[in-house]
Amino acid sequence: QPVLTQSSSASASLGSSVKLTCTLSSGHNYYIIAWHQQQPGKAPRYLMKLEGSGSYNKGSGVPDRFSGSSSGADRYLTISNLQSDDEADYYCETWDSNTRVFGGGTKLTVL
Amino acid sequence: EVQLLESGGDLVQPGGSLRLSCAASGFTFSSYAMSWVRQAPGKGLEWVSAISDSAGSTYYADSVRGRFTISRDNSKNTLYVQMNSLRAEDTAVYYCAKVVGATLVLGGGATDYWGQGTLVTVSS
Repeated sequence: QPVLTQSSSASASLGSSVKLTCTLSSGHNYYIIAWHQQQPGKAPRYLMKLEGSGSYNKGSGVPDRFSGSSSGADRYLTISNLQSDDEADYYCETWDSNTRVFGGGTKLTVL
Repeated sequence: EVQLLESGGDLVQPGGSLRLSCAASGFTFSSYAMSWVRQAPGKGLEWVSAISDSAGSTYYADSVRGRFTISRDNSKNTLYVQMNSLRAEDTAVYYCAKVVGATLVLGGGATDYWGQGTLVTVSS
């Protein structure tokens, strides 16, 4: 089954951009993933589905500042013009025939 | 508007049982697969179980297989999970989640909606 690896933390300044990475395990680099945001004390929120081609589809109401891209086994979430409420945990998710998998999450700090 | 409302979380002793419910609205519940995801205090998300639209297919994480049973009542737009032989490590917020697809063939697709969660605490 696939394994998703994420850096535990990231930081960037208010108004800048940040690129978060989710890496698929060997042999799974064609898998589609999803990105989710979890603000402190809240439930997760679906951001987008991201394919290996780099094509992505965002969820309802997700700002244009959020975008996705891919390279090999890596799936990226880029947040532009960082706002204070972008400070959150970001999780990637993928799925297979009899399982669903989450990455360990990246805690984003907005400086 | 899609809404998922979990209930049933409680404090339970080790070895005990609990049933969680998730009331769904705002979409055709019977047309989508559903899942349960949990989050232990201070930890990341962990997938627990998934069920297809017609309940014909069910899947479980190794950590709960044989102890948890997922089910659904499409006439009541409600998802359930029966949790038996509970352990301290089952302590978590349990989220109900909607899956993009109907079946679980090739996994069923992304989770596109989440509930607010219900807290299960297993402690003596």
